Amino acid sequence: DAGVIQSPRHEVTEMGQEVTLRCKPISGHDYLFWYRQTMMRGLELLIYFNNNVPIDDSGMPEDRFSAKMPNASFSTLKIQPSEPRDSAVYFCASSRLTGGSRTEAFFGQGTRLTVV
Amino acid sequence: GDSVTQMEGPVTLSEEAFLTINCTYTATGYPSLFWYVQYPGEGLQLLLKATKADDKGSNKGFEATYRKETTSFHLEKGSVQVSDSAVYFCALSDGGGSEKLVFGKGTKLTVNP
Repeated sequence: DAGVIQSPRHEVTEMGQEVTLRCKPISGHDYLFWYRQTMMRGLELLIYFNNNVPIDDSGMPEDRFSAKMPNASFSTLKIQPSEPRDSAVYFCASSRLTGGSRTEAFFGQGTRLTVV
Repeated sequence: GDSVTQMEGPVTLSEEAFLTINCTYTATGYPSLFWYVQYPGEGLQLLLKATKADDKGSNKGFEATYRKETTSFHLEKGSVQVSDSAVYFCALSDGGGSEKLVFGKGTKLTVNP
């Protein structure tokens, strides 16, 4: 399996622009997570989905952030408009049930976002 | 809410030295505990986990024991290698699985030859 795939790996954008981050979870995984990593705040859960349905978005910082999962193999995290304080590494992760217990979360390589 | 506190880094050791990275947690229920490792430029990988009190997780020479009485899950390795240089994250999940992982701030380990 190719693992969790994120794109792009790096994104540099100007303040005010719309940014879309993409994630393809591991096939067969029913949970998908979006995390943000910054030096100041560490790793924070933004939102997670179960079977394509958002379960908890309490970590989404503002209305400028939105996430969708139109099908089991694709999710997007959108920031509109972007601000310099959104600069961070954004990770996508997925997991599934096996043998009655849940696997650990498998992480993608992340998207490093820089907003100038 | 739930939280994880791990020792501040960075930690610098010589090859074959003993490693301890302290981790304590606060949780209302009976969390599962994890150590994840992040190599430069990569995502996080699960290193080891423990799902109940007194369980010991182990992998690649690393060990951690779930101590409910001290709410701790310290990471240890008897002899580190240069290839162990990475950032280590302690985390908990209150759902018994991997939903809503709460992470510590991470500890950067550098091992010199």
